[in-house]
Amino acid sequence: DMKVTQMPRYLIKRMGENVLLECGQDMSHETMYWYRQDPGLGLQLIYISYDVDSNSEGDIPKGYRVSRKKREHFSLILDSAKTNQTSVYFCASSFRDRVGQNTLYFGAGTRLSVL
Amino acid sequence: GEQVEQRPPHLSVREGDSAFITCTYTDPNSYYFFWYKQEPGASLQLLMKVFSSTEINEGQGFTVLLNKKDKRLSLNLTAAHPGDSAAYFCAVRPHDSGYNKLTFGKGTVLLVSP
Repeated sequence: DMKVTQMPRYLIKRMGENVLLECGQDMSHETMYWYRQDPGLGLQLIYISYDVDSNSEGDIPKGYRVSRKKREHFSLILDSAKTNQTSVYFCASSFRDRVGQNTLYFGAGTRLSVL
Repeated sequence: GEQVEQRPPHLSVREGDSAFITCTYTDPNSYYFFWYKQEPGASLQLLMKVFSSTEINEGQGFTVLLNKKDKRLSLNLTAAHPGDSAAYFCAVRPHDSGYNKLTFGKGTVLLVSP
């Protein structure tokens, strides 16, 4: 089974604190993603990583940074978290299928509350 | 860039009825399409992926229709049951996004009552 693991599942932080969300996959997928999900807004892409140290901004990168030092791990960092970063964060990874397209597989999500 | 509009945002049906969800997209060159299901508190699970050459795709208890002329992707759950209650998201691979990026619809929350 393809598995994307996120840690922690739930996190409460105070405004101004640093936040580290971690994601792992055991499938050697090259591409990994961080999304946030908010009610009424669907999924918004924060960052995409094409491989180790090969990261690219998504649609809403402001206030976030990422780190990918190993293919199987992709971290999302919030330096000095803000209350409007309260959200559910999803990590995903993808592989290229037989027709050359990537299918995304999602982790279980991290519910972050910034007070 | 690609815009994806998903309707309706909320849908309530009775057990045994059909549930119909539609996404319209703007890029006529989009060529790969996905439906994801998200149960409450859970992650997104891939329901079906559709390549642009296939107009009708049958799954277990549902059908996905692709109308390229109208730029419309539809999910029809036939004979819905309470276990189908979830949020459903369409996703579209625009032509200019490369192999990796998807544009998601905002989702439809489906409630199937007994």
